[in-house]
Amino acid sequence: GAGVSQSPRYKVAKRGQDVALRCDPISGHVSLFWYQQALGQGPEFLTYFQNEAQLDKSGLPSDRFFAERPEGSVSTLKIQRTQQEDSAVYLCASSPLTGSSGNTIYFGEGSWLTVV
Amino acid sequence: DQQVKQNSPSLSVQEGRISILNCDYTNSMFDYFLWYKKYPAEGPTFLISISSIKDKNEDGRFTVFLNKSAKHLSLHIVPSQPGDSAVYFCAASPINFGNEKLTFGTGTRLTIIP
Repeated sequence: GAGVSQSPRYKVAKRGQDVALRCDPISGHVSLFWYQQALGQGPEFLTYFQNEAQLDKSGLPSDRFFAERPEGSVSTLKIQRTQQEDSAVYLCASSPLTGSSGNTIYFGEGSWLTVV
Repeated sequence: DQQVKQNSPSLSVQEGRISILNCDYTNSMFDYFLWYKKYPAEGPTFLISISSIKDKNEDGRFTVFLNKSAKHLSLHIVPSQPGDSAVYFCAASPINFGNEKLTFGTGTRLTIIP
């Protein structure tokens, strides 16, 4: 497709369940980002990939969060033993270039996670 | 500590008038600033950006102004149209990081009144 695609769009998980969120970036985009957006807040940075390399994971809130991009295209964000505070929209974004000011990043529609 | 602040959670403007959305930042390492627009149930969409070497950037009805000494930027929309009703996020990135680590404000919900 033309844009960043995320799945599932909506996920309801029971507390303690593991979830996996998928992101298909725009074809050919080198950089891929994950952001978390809680209700009423702005998106907050989680992690960044340049091709398959995870260059920054400083925003991951705990070791229950894990992201990968093994072949430099599709990425998966995994959350283990989900807790209620994990409820948020998880946004994936991609951009064509690496680390240069002036580079626009394009967001997907997000995966809405509700932990009950 | 909120490094990017949008102090007005909401704003209502008459159609045809000017909308002014404000944003303040505290981190002097930020050198690139962006505005994103977000409709319900959609991801943020890039609107306009400005580098710290400029104080103004214009794109059609949208103009962004940057006051580095005051650490303040604003987005002007003129004339405002009903389709502009959305949540607007200000975002910033630091020197040497490009924009892979954007810091966002909490957003301002703009409502254009027909």
